[in-house]
Amino acid sequence: GAGVSQSPRYKVAKRGQDVALRCDPISGHVSLFWYQQALGQGPEFLTYFQNEAQLDKSGLPSDRFFAERPEGSVSTLKIQRTQQEDSAVYLCASSLARDSPLHFGNGTRLTVT
Amino acid sequence: AQSVTQLDSQVPVFEEAPVELRCNYSSSVSVYLFWYVQYPNQGLQLLLKYLSGSTLVKGINGFEAEFNKSQTSFHLRKPSVHISDTAEYFCAVSQGYSTLTFGKGTMLLVSP
Repeated sequence: GAGVSQSPRYKVAKRGQDVALRCDPISGHVSLFWYQQALGQGPEFLTYFQNEAQLDKSGLPSDRFFAERPEGSVSTLKIQRTQQEDSAVYLCASSLARDSPLHFGNGTRLTVT
Repeated sequence: AQSVTQLDSQVPVFEEAPVELRCNYSSSVSVYLFWYVQYPNQGLQLLLKYLSGSTLVKGINGFEAEFNKSQTSFHLRKPSVHISDTAEYFCAVSQGYSTLTFGKGTMLLVSP
């Protein structure tokens, strides 16, 4: 079946613009994670959903970052008033349950100019 | 809190040579350990994992890793690398499968 799908693959935003990044997890996967991967770094945890509930948002770097998963499937990561330091690859991962292996999408590369 | 240290940012090696990518972790509780591979412009793919049991773990593509609790290490090895193994490799730790803490990655560069 299809894997985790993320769109767009690439996004260029001018500083101050708002962006929305989409994640389509594998069908039936309960858990969904967002990670941020800066250039030359490992991925860092942003937030975690179990179905539609956002159970952990401790990794969100500021209140400009907001994530939602209203129907327990597709998730959107929104960044308001983008800054240059937001430039990174944003990875989405899903799993069948909390303690199941993660399946990663190919990421969205965000460049803020 | 837990953390992962990958001691080498880049490892150059010739094709068919053996390779070891080093990983050390710190945690106050028992953890699960993982190695992921990332090819250019792609997401992460799980190579292997240690949950419990045998300390020698075999994964895909001929890779293996050994868990050493006393040295808090989980080094990745392959006896003979291929050009196609050129990629970024990430060591990660968690208290379950989820909420992974990653190292900064090691770029494996295989040349002919």
